[in-house]
Amino acid sequence: ELKVEQNPLFLSMQEGKNYTIYCNYSTTSDRLYWYRQDPGKSLESLFVLLSNGAVKQEGRLMASLDTKARLSTLHITAAVHDLSATYFCAVTVNSGYALNFGKGTSLLVTP
Amino acid sequence: EAGVVQSPRYKIIEKKQPVAFWCNPISGHNTLYWYLQNLGQGPELLIRYENEEAVDDSQLPKDRFSAERLKGVDSTLKIQPAELGDSAVYLCASSLMLTGINEQFFGPGTRLTVL
Repeated sequence: ELKVEQNPLFLSMQEGKNYTIYCNYSTTSDRLYWYRQDPGKSLESLFVLLSNGAVKQEGRLMASLDTKARLSTLHITAAVHDLSATYFCAVTVNSGYALNFGKGTSLLVTP
Repeated sequence: EAGVVQSPRYKIIEKKQPVAFWCNPISGHNTLYWYLQNLGQGPELLIRYENEEAVDDSQLPKDRFSAERLKGVDSTLKIQPAELGDSAVYLCASSLMLTGINEQFFGPGTRLTVL
């Protein structure tokens, strides 16, 4: 059974600080996705990582993928309040289409 | 470009009543998904359509849930009869499979409360 685990599940951090969210998955994956969800809102696609060593950056967020370790990280640099949201990672396996999500990391950035 | 549209946004019903959700995907996206999101959890796939064909409905509780995608565009998800445990957010997503990326775009969801 595929398991996608994120940690931490809850994160409170001060503005200006750096932090990393981790996403582990239990079986070989084709693709890894990061999504953001604001309260009561839909999921917004942030990154799609396709291969080992892939790194993508957008603003203060940087995502990386290590397929050998079955690990992806989402690094937050100099956090600002606008980054407060829930972040989900998801993987697909066996060239499938279904996204298998982790439980999400609820991030709160405080002044 | 318009995003995925869902309606209604909120629905409150009593148990044993029927309910239906509607989704209009992004124009040109041939793949449509229905996901279920429980509070504090990530979404879980219920059913996937390729055009008008349901190609993965293994997680759809077929005793009470049904879905259709007539003409390969809009889709409707129905629950009959609803149970208390069906209270959740129902998300619709669409994608256009290009070069293996399959980036899925989600609608705002329908929050269902069953009393």
